[in-house]
Amino acid sequence: DQQVKQNSPSLSVQEGRISILNCDYTNSMFDYFLWYKKYPAEGPTFLISISSIKDKNEDGRFTVFLNKSAKHLSLHIVPSQPGDSAVYFCAASSNAGGTSYGKLTFGQGTILTVHP
Amino acid sequence: DAGITQSPRHKVTETGTPVTLRCHQTENHRYMYWYRQDPGHGLRLIHYSYGVKDTDKGEVSDGYSVSRSKTEDFLLTLESATSSQTSVYFCACGQGTNYGYTFGSGTRLTVV
Repeated sequence: DQQVKQNSPSLSVQEGRISILNCDYTNSMFDYFLWYKKYPAEGPTFLISISSIKDKNEDGRFTVFLNKSAKHLSLHIVPSQPGDSAVYFCAASSNAGGTSYGKLTFGQGTILTVHP
Repeated sequence: DAGITQSPRHKVTETGTPVTLRCHQTENHRYMYWYRQDPGHGLRLIHYSYGVKDTDKGEVSDGYSVSRSKTEDFLLTLESATSSQTSVYFCACGQGTNYGYTFGSGTRLTVV
């Protein structure tokens, strides 16, 4: 039972255009969401996060949107650059009761390719 | 000067043998985690630790055990390796969800 789903295995965009990566979740107890970026032969690196009390968080070219009613979040990259080509994972956590210990549930990942 | 290192980076082992993967962090983070990455599954939590000698199971813990005798070190042991445990294993450390994790570079394990 996949609680966090990234239904698009891959996405291809032109340099300079917008990349939109999507993520859906089923567990209504999730209250914190994160995006990680992973290059081949490296570990994932933290990119951006959002709390469930917000619907948008922005950091430079990266913006995450959260739609709690739809249990959907998206990562927008504007403008996209060839160096953004990587696997992107969304992740979610529930801090309910203060006993999550920081555990994250990850989606399957989306391979983003940005063409020059 | 990476904050978290894993060893070995690559390993090939035979079915039925025990294997130990090592994770070492210099971040002084309380929480440590072992994940495995497989195609179509993303990253799945194997075990985690919330302090020295304090560990618990994740969603795919069968066939694995862990130990944490010092804040810096978190060991993952495959008690009797099987082909289904061929995977890339990532260790991570963190201070809690809101700060994100720091991941190691991974260990590619092949069980033949």
